[in-house]
Amino acid sequence: GENVEQHPSTLSVQEGDSAVIKCTYSDSASNYFPWYKQELGKGPQLIIDIRSNVGKKKDQRIAVTLNKTAKHFSLHITETQPEDSAVYFCAASGAGSTLGRLYFGRGTQLTVWP
Amino acid sequence: NAGVTQTPKFQVLKTGQSMTLQCAQDMNHEYMSWYRQDPGMGLRLIHYSVGAGITDQGEVPNGYNVSRSTTEDFPLRLLSAAPSQTSVYFCASSYGPESPLHFGNGTRLTVT
Repeated sequence: GENVEQHPSTLSVQEGDSAVIKCTYSDSASNYFPWYKQELGKGPQLIIDIRSNVGKKKDQRIAVTLNKTAKHFSLHITETQPEDSAVYFCAASGAGSTLGRLYFGRGTQLTVWP
Repeated sequence: NAGVTQTPKFQVLKTGQSMTLQCAQDMNHEYMSWYRQDPGMGLRLIHYSVGAGITDQGEVPNGYNVSRSTTEDFPLRLLSAAPSQTSVYFCASSYGPESPLHFGNGTRLTVT
């Protein structure tokens, strides 16, 4: 099955700075790459996703890039704010016999200091 | 819409006890899944279902059973609880195989 690696596991930035989280995946047949934000005591919530036919997608301060050749994708948060502090997960979709599954990275704890 | 509803929010079990974690969604999603979240391990898939009457195993299925008799409900059964099953459990649903997952708020389970 798919293997998703996520780095770093923790990230601390000053308010206003940018934050970058990187993920790699193993199955070149994966087509769908979502990112989730999890606040304390809550379930993960989708913040942005990208499909394999797109190289970059942006939504206000959040952007995701995908390099299918290298099998890696990244989350970029600009002008960080304290409310961006949370755990972020990347994921990659299964394909073929594992279609319907999502494989998650181990998460990044982002802390934004005021 | 309530989205994905999980009950209970908290549960303490003794080793060997059984229980069912409930999950219901009101979005008419075909795909439903159960994950467990442990510190430093991310979200690991336990079981999933692509429609009523169809279930399949994920990465860590041992010790858990599921059934999908309706589109709305996807209960997770712990057959004989073990301390290794102490975790936070999340139920999720989606419209299709490569669609955004909607998560419930989790059940925190402690097995002593």
